Amino acid sequence: GDSVTQMEGPVTLSEEAFLTINCTYTATGYPSLFWYVQYPGEGLQLLLKATKADDKGSNKGFEATYRKETTSFHLEKGSVQVSDSAVYFCALSDIFNNNDMRFGAGTRLTVKP
Amino acid sequence: GAVVSQHPSWVICKSGTSVKIECRSLDFQATTMFWYRQFPKQSLMLMATSNEGSKATYEQGVEKDKFLINHASLTLSTLTVTSAHPEDSSFYICSARTGTGLEKLFFGSGTQLSVL
Repeated sequence: GDSVTQMEGPVTLSEEAFLTINCTYTATGYPSLFWYVQYPGEGLQLLLKATKADDKGSNKGFEATYRKETTSFHLEKGSVQVSDSAVYFCALSDIFNNNDMRFGAGTRLTVKP
Repeated sequence: GAVVSQHPSWVICKSGTSVKIECRSLDFQATTMFWYRQFPKQSLMLMATSNEGSKATYEQGVEKDKFLINHASLTLSTLTVTSAHPEDSSFYICSARTGTGLEKLFFGSGTQLSVL
């Protein structure tokens, strides 16, 4: 069945460092791909999405490109801030799987000043 | 934006007791709500989908008699873990959908359940 594998954390970076959180997926159809972020004490929030191959999702300085050839959707940010400290979840949704959302295990990011 | 409130945020209970978790959509009506569970270092796994006024649809391997879901109104769904055991200790999270679009999915902040 469909699944998502993402980089195991935790990840600790200094402010202004470059961030990459790897995410790869397995799907039978043509899924939409998502990154969600969960700040402390809050619910998961949609960060960005991409619905087809080569699409790039972007928001708040974060980017991820839907790579069908490598089945990947890695999250990147050029310069992280302390306020980016959160848990990041990669997810997919596939119409061949009733549009159910499949999540990765989450990656905890801590950014130190 | 749409807000989903989930309570309690954490609960500790004795083995054999039942625990109820509430999920409320505060500023919108949610025809569909979802319940997920996450064990340490594992993926967030869908447990069940609940639609207002009808029985929940459970994922394979999830015991419906153990995890009772009630979606009595368009703004409230509850998950009751009956006769909880230590292996039920997990992080439970709900989400609510406002429409048919994939981006119209909003999440609660989760409940950490510890069964002693």
